[in-house]
Amino acid sequence: QKEVEQNSGPLSVPEGAIASLNCTYSDRGSQSFFWYRQYSGKSPELIMSIYSNGDKEDGRFTAQLNKASQYVSLLIRDSQPSDSATYLCAVRTGFQKLVFGTGTRLLVSP
Amino acid sequence: GAVVSQHPSWVICKSGTSVKIECRSLDFQATTMFWYRQFPKQSLMLMATSNEGSKATYEQGVEKDKFLINHASLTLSTLTVTSAHPEDSSFYICSAMTDSYEQYFGPGTRLTVT
Repeated sequence: QKEVEQNSGPLSVPEGAIASLNCTYSDRGSQSFFWYRQYSGKSPELIMSIYSNGDKEDGRFTAQLNKASQYVSLLIRDSQPSDSATYLCAVRTGFQKLVFGTGTRLLVSP
Repeated sequence: GAVVSQHPSWVICKSGTSVKIECRSLDFQATTMFWYRQFPKQSLMLMATSNEGSKATYEQGVEKDKFLINHASLTLSTLTVTSAHPEDSSFYICSAMTDSYEQYFGPGTRLTVT
């Protein structure tokens, strides 16, 4: 079982819709959770961090964490074509380094 | 926000030569930095963890004598690819960690070995 799992996609949504990206992790001791956006040929960009159960909102982005279910998600409201990218879920398990999922490719069509 | 720079952004070198890549945290101090490599259409692969003032910790399968890492200050870490070969051609990305464990990535260095 992979430590951090994501559906590779692509996830296709029309412009203006809500995109829902999901991630599960295997280590119950995981403490910090992050979502990164990576455009093709570019380095990852941190868009959300979440540390406790519940929702965290930042603009059009909402991260949701459920530690009991070992599940973290990212909602993107009013999706725009510029949101088309690969979204990486990352988990910190207690050591310094992050464990990354393989990413979900999101396509937002005009 | 936290800004991390990398230099150079791209480099072409001949097989057998060495290349140094610099990673700097511009507006915060980073005790810990990380070096990743990414091949086209593949996931990020962590190469090593760099701690200021101590030896780097390399991931399994990464040759520490080939990929030399130095973290001489709280804002600078360097990666030197020694005796580069064409198979070392890749996208090298560093990240710097804040006190809240967020990692901010540099823009990456595209290395081509001919």
